[in-house]
Amino acid sequence: NAGVTQTPKFQVLKTGQSMTLQCAQDMNHEYMSWYRQDPGMGLRLIHYSVGAGITDQGEVPNGYNVSRSTTEDFPLRLLSAAPSQTSVYFCASSYWVGEDRELFFGEGSRLTVL
Amino acid sequence: AQSVSQHNHHVILSEAASLELGCNYSYGGTVNLFWYVQYPGQHLQLLLKYFSGDPLVKGIKGFEAEFIKSKFSFNLRKPSVQWSDTAEYFCAVKGNNRLAFGKGNQVVVIP
Repeated sequence: NAGVTQTPKFQVLKTGQSMTLQCAQDMNHEYMSWYRQDPGMGLRLIHYSVGAGITDQGEVPNGYNVSRSTTEDFPLRLLSAAPSQTSVYFCASSYWVGEDRELFFGEGSRLTVL
Repeated sequence: AQSVSQHNHHVILSEAASLELGCNYSYGGTVNLFWYVQYPGQHLQLLLKYFSGDPLVKGIKGFEAEFIKSKFSFNLRKPSVQWSDTAEYFCAVKGNNRLAFGKGNQVVVIP
């Protein structure tokens, strides 16, 4: 099992550019989510999904879009990047029913917006 | 939506000292509780979790946490820390389809 795989690991964008952060998991997890991590702010939930075709907003969704066309993939799209979106982004997945509901994290994507 | 509070964002202590990190949450429904650890340059890893049953939960690396429902708390403890415990620790609460994290505790253990 590869677990949760995020790409790219590093990215530099100019203000106004668009890009997609990819996230894939091979554990057949129903739940997938995107967080951003900023110093002193902890992890803040951007968007999440409890299954293919179902997405919902988290705490800080503005400026980000997601889709869940398959169980395995949950890409995060920045439509028009802003310096405030400079952050480390983590994708995470888990089962959503049953006792084994630990979140598994990807290794993170560090994004800098100039 | 639930919220999670962690106090004393920066903690510095010597090896063999005891560590306790506080976590309080606000959510009226059934919750699942977690502590995650992030070692420098790495992603988050699960330390321990509580779903039901014994409110004293033991995790990896000698960590334990106690769920006190009446106080909405899930404090993390370790009797004797090591230099390798230097990391950032996050409390998380799952309720209503969302997992909310606290702002974290940066712990530095001095050899």
